[in-house]
Amino acid sequence: QVQLVESGGGVVQPGRSLRLSCAASGFTFTNYAMHWVRQAPGKGLEWVAIIYSDGNTEFYVDSVKGRFTVSRDNTRNTVVLQMNSLRAEDTAVYFCARSLYSSSWYLGYWGQGSLVTVSS
Amino acid sequence: EILMTQSPAILSVSPGEGATLSCRASQSIDGNVAWYQQNPGQAPRLLIYRASSRATGVPVRFSGSGSATEFTLTISSLQSEDFVLYYCQQFSNWPPTFGQGTRVELK
Repeated sequence: QVQLVESGGGVVQPGRSLRLSCAASGFTFTNYAMHWVRQAPGKGLEWVAIIYSDGNTEFYVDSVKGRFTVSRDNTRNTVVLQMNSLRAEDTAVYFCARSLYSSSWYLGYWGQGSLVTVSS
Repeated sequence: EILMTQSPAILSVSPGEGATLSCRASQSIDGNVAWYQQNPGQAPRLLIYRASSRATGVPVRFSGSGSATEFTLTISSLQSEDFVLYYCQQFSNWPPTFGQGTRVELK
């Protein structure tokens, strides 16, 4: 079955960096786009980034553009979210998600999430 | 950016009754709408995609409908596990956006 397992969350000071990883299994990784979605404590969902299956095309929400970078390793079935210049407003649970099919924007499968807390 | 407005914010329903959750887009988004269910402390789960297609394993009591700017998630007969949070999402226009959520609570 499809499994997505995030890791790398934690507490970090404003302005510092953090790297989240998502290990995928149970499906042909190279066939699907992968997404990051976040949820601030007690708040709603915010889509963050997508990387297409070939790893050459990415899109970001404006609030993280220039600070976050998404990448994938199709040999290790992992997707990474590199977060730089972190701000307090980046505090959230970050979910890795797989497209329902191919490069769709429907989020068919989700990981359990990884909490990132930006605080001094 | 397209704003997705869900109503009501909280819906009080008795078990076995039906529930209708609404999602309004600030401009036409065709049928590019999904609905997700989220239990407390858990990841969301896809229920409906393309406005009316049920995802794999989703019970038939969940159905989606709508077009243009008005979309609806209907739960025909609420079970105990349905009293949680629901979000709509659009991706017709960049960036993909979610509604603020509707919480279905026990009446």
